[in-house]
Amino acid sequence: DIQMTQSPSSLSASVGDRVTITCRASQSINSWLAWYQQKSEKAPKSLIYAASNLQSGVPSRFSGSRSGTDFTLTISSLQPEDFATYYCQQYNSYPLTFGGGTKVEIK
Amino acid sequence: QVQLQESGPGLVKPSETLSLTCTVSGGSISSSSYYWGWIRQPPGKGLEWIGSIHYNGNTYYNPSLRSRVTISADTSKNHFSLKMSSVTAADTALYYCARRAYGDPFDPWGQGTLVTVSS
Repeated sequence: DIQMTQSPSSLSASVGDRVTITCRASQSINSWLAWYQQKSEKAPKSLIYAASNLQSGVPSRFSGSRSGTDFTLTISSLQPEDFATYYCQQYNSYPLTFGGGTKVEIK
Repeated sequence: QVQLQESGPGLVKPSETLSLTCTVSGGSISSSSYYWGWIRQPPGKGLEWIGSIHYNGNTYYNPSLRSRVTISADTSKNHFSLKMSSVTAADTALYYCARRAYGDPFDPWGQGTLVTVSS
């Protein structure tokens, strides 16, 4: 199984801050990585697919990047509605696996 | 626009079988483009993929659950189902169904249904 190690598990930030979340795959997943946002255990919402492609309707302050097996989700200027938990997920191979999540809280 | 809705008992006794259905509206589960999956989330914890089914009947399961899980599809009712046998308290979770195209992440998702395993 491919392990997805996400860090940090939580962070505190202020509105307007730049926030970076990292996900490391235990082996190559090419760019088959997605990022999701989940609020209060509502259904996750897909933000980014194929490591760096923004889903339709997702604000441009969200971006994703890849360097080898390291993936990054960046929020360029944190907004009040961005306080949530974020998950990465690889879909390169079965079993599909998620990172442990990063809870973004208000400082 | 495609919508998914989970349904099934919210309470299951230990050792019994959990059965959930995901009804799809606004699209056909017979489309060759999509896989239909189940994901769960124990209270306060992260997401775990349970398994997926393709319209051609091919199924894919999480090895950690494979021995207890069956996913099937009923194209006449445009829904797919999850059965998980021999449940324990560790199977208490919010269960989501979701659609995935090849090369894409899960999108959209159902709203989720809470299943509690308790006597």
